[in-house]
Amino acid sequence: EPEVTQTPSHQVTQMGQEVILRCVPISNHLYFYWYRQILGQKVEFLVSFYNNEISEKSEIFDDQFSVERPDGSNFTLKIRSTKLEDSAMYFCASSHVGGLNTEAFFGQGTRLTVV
Amino acid sequence: GEDVEQSLFLSVREGDSSVINCTYTDSSSTYLYWYKQEPGAGLQLLTYIFSNMDMKQDQRLTVLLNKKDKHLSLRIADTQTGDSAIYFCAESPSSGYALNFGKGTSLLVTP
Repeated sequence: EPEVTQTPSHQVTQMGQEVILRCVPISNHLYFYWYRQILGQKVEFLVSFYNNEISEKSEIFDDQFSVERPDGSNFTLKIRSTKLEDSAMYFCASSHVGGLNTEAFFGQGTRLTVV
Repeated sequence: GEDVEQSLFLSVREGDSSVINCTYTDSSSTYLYWYKQEPGAGLQLLTYIFSNMDMKQDQRLTVLLNKKDKHLSLRIADTQTGDSAIYFCAESPSSGYALNFGKGTSLLVTP
């Protein structure tokens, strides 16, 4: 069964460093998303991406964050200068179509720890 | 987004029914979802319900929606140890793509 894969599963980084979280969405999907979950809190939407541009982003997704689809298969989330409060589980998701009744397929997550 | 609330923990015996509850506050939500997360895995869509429906049944899963009270529940019949996971309630916004999740309910099924 096709699945969304994320690497690495766990990343530890020092405060102020740049990190890139990687995702390989399902191959025929067109819509891509990043969510995060800080420990003990709810899963929060960060950004959606379609047709090589951001279609929607939340207040969390500030200038420190960027997304890119560098080739036909990868979808990356970059945090330019990490802060302690960026420590969270980051989920990538993809869907074949956008819209309200879309089934978004999620990856297993990358646990980011900023020290 | 507005808060989606869930109880954090539920423990049931194998073979019993489990009921996981959720309240949401955005009355314009069109779809409501239940996702399951097993240890070390991603979020798996279990089922969803359209806001003009009261109930949806899918094998062992029954979703009940009380739109007046903004209350959603997921009932799992004949709960098995393999059902142990975290269950997330989520609502769709009135526009856009961002799902609004609750914190998740951790279901523990004991033999």
